Amino acid sequence: DQQVKQNSPSLSVQEGRISILNCDYTNSMFDYFLWYKKYPAEGPTFLISISSIKDKNEDGRFTVFLNKSAKHLSLHIVPSQPGDSAVYFCAATAASSGNTPLVFGKGTRLSVIA
Amino acid sequence: DAGVIQSPRHEVTEMGQEVTLRCKPISGHNSLFWYRQTMMRGLELLIYFNNNVPIDDSGMPEDRFSAKMPNASFSTLKIQPSEPRDSAVYFCASSNSGANVLTFGAGSRLTVL
Repeated sequence: DQQVKQNSPSLSVQEGRISILNCDYTNSMFDYFLWYKKYPAEGPTFLISISSIKDKNEDGRFTVFLNKSAKHLSLHIVPSQPGDSAVYFCAATAASSGNTPLVFGKGTRLSVIA
Repeated sequence: DAGVIQSPRHEVTEMGQEVTLRCKPISGHNSLFWYRQTMMRGLELLIYFNNNVPIDDSGMPEDRFSAKMPNASFSTLKIQPSEPRDSAVYFCASSNSGANVLTFGAGSRLTVL
């Protein structure tokens, strides 16, 4: 039973355009959400996060949007660059419940075409 | 800091053999996590430790899997006996207790023939 779902296994975008990666969750206890980026033969690296008290968090070209009522979040990358080609994992945790571990989605492979 | 260190990076073994994966967390981090990545299930949590104590091992697939953390700077994940379906990339991650961001190692790719 996947508590964090990334329904698009892959996404191709042209360089310079916007990339939108989506994530849905089922557990209403989740109140902190993260995106990780993974290159081949490397471990996932933290990209950006958002607390449930916000609906948007921005860091340079990366913006995460949270829609609590829909239990949905998305990562926007604009403009997309070839170096953004990687697998992106959405993760969630019930931070206010204590030290609960991150629950990850299956990932979305983003390919940015030059 | 060198980050989270995992060894070996690659392991190829035959079915029935014992496999031991090793992890050195970031110095000062007191939470350690073992995750497994497969195409079918993505990144799934196997077990995690706080202050060297196992907190939740409900993700460990079978009794063939065991994990230890004898001190704050070392953890092992052991599979005995290994089976082909154990083939995956195993990641170790660490964090400060209460922190939401994990730092991952580069992973150990296991192939069981």
